[in-house]
Amino acid sequence: DAKTTQPTSMDCAEGRAANLPCNHSTISGNEYVYWYRQIHSQGPQYIIHGLKNNETNEMASLIITEDRKSSTLILPHATLRDTAVYYCIVSSGSNYQLIWGAGTKLIIKP
Amino acid sequence: DTEVTQTPKHLVMGMTNKKSLKCEQHMGHRAMYWYKQKAKKPPELMFVYSYEKLSINESVPSRFSPECPNSSLLNLHLHALQPEDSALYLCASSQRSGGGNTGELFFGEGSRLTVL
Repeated sequence: DAKTTQPTSMDCAEGRAANLPCNHSTISGNEYVYWYRQIHSQGPQYIIHGLKNNETNEMASLIITEDRKSSTLILPHATLRDTAVYYCIVSSGSNYQLIWGAGTKLIIKP
Repeated sequence: DTEVTQTPKHLVMGMTNKKSLKCEQHMGHRAMYWYKQKAKKPPELMFVYSYEKLSINESVPSRFSPECPNSSLLNLHLHALQPEDSALYLCASSQRSGGGNTGELFFGEGSRLTVL
C-alpha cells in the first residue's frame, strides 16, 4: 500500500494561496489521492480527491503530477479559518482502507 | 442531513468497566468506519462495515468489539481497556462501499475516551 510524505508545518498569509505538497511515490494505478483537514478537536473534513486529472471544487484544487508520484492541494484564498492539519491520503486499491499521512499543520497568519 | 452523530462526546472509564460508543448516520451510506486517533497523530483505521457486515478488522485487540445493528447504526463495545487505549475514537461513513474509490468519508466529531 502506498504511503504519503508531507511537510510537518507551513505558514501562509491570509488572502494568499496556500499550496500544500504531498509525495506518494509508490502509488499504484488504481489508487486515489484524497485530502482531508482537521480543525483542532473536530472530526476530519473531506476536501477533495482525484485519480489522474486535476480536480477543483468550491473548497480547493488538486493538482496531480503526470507520473502521479506527487500532488499539491491549493487553497486559492486562505482565511484564518483554514488553519488546520491537512492530511494527504492514498486509498488502497484492494479495499476501503485510507492510509493517512502524518499531516501538515497549516497556519494562516493575518 | 449530512451528519454523523457520535455519543458520548466524552467518556471516562476504569479498566474493569464495560462501555459502548455509538455512531449514527441517516444518509443511507452503506459503509461505516471506526478510527482511533492519538494526540498529534493521524487517524488509524480500526474496522470497516460494508452493508452491515464486518469487512475489515485492522488487527484490533478483542477488548474492542464492533457491532452494526442496522445500516444507520454502528457501535463500539469496550471491555477491559488499558490506559494506552485512551484516544479520540472517530466514526465515519461513505456512500460507496468498494475498494479504491470510496468517495467522501463523512466523519463525526468523535468520542474522547479516557481509561483510568
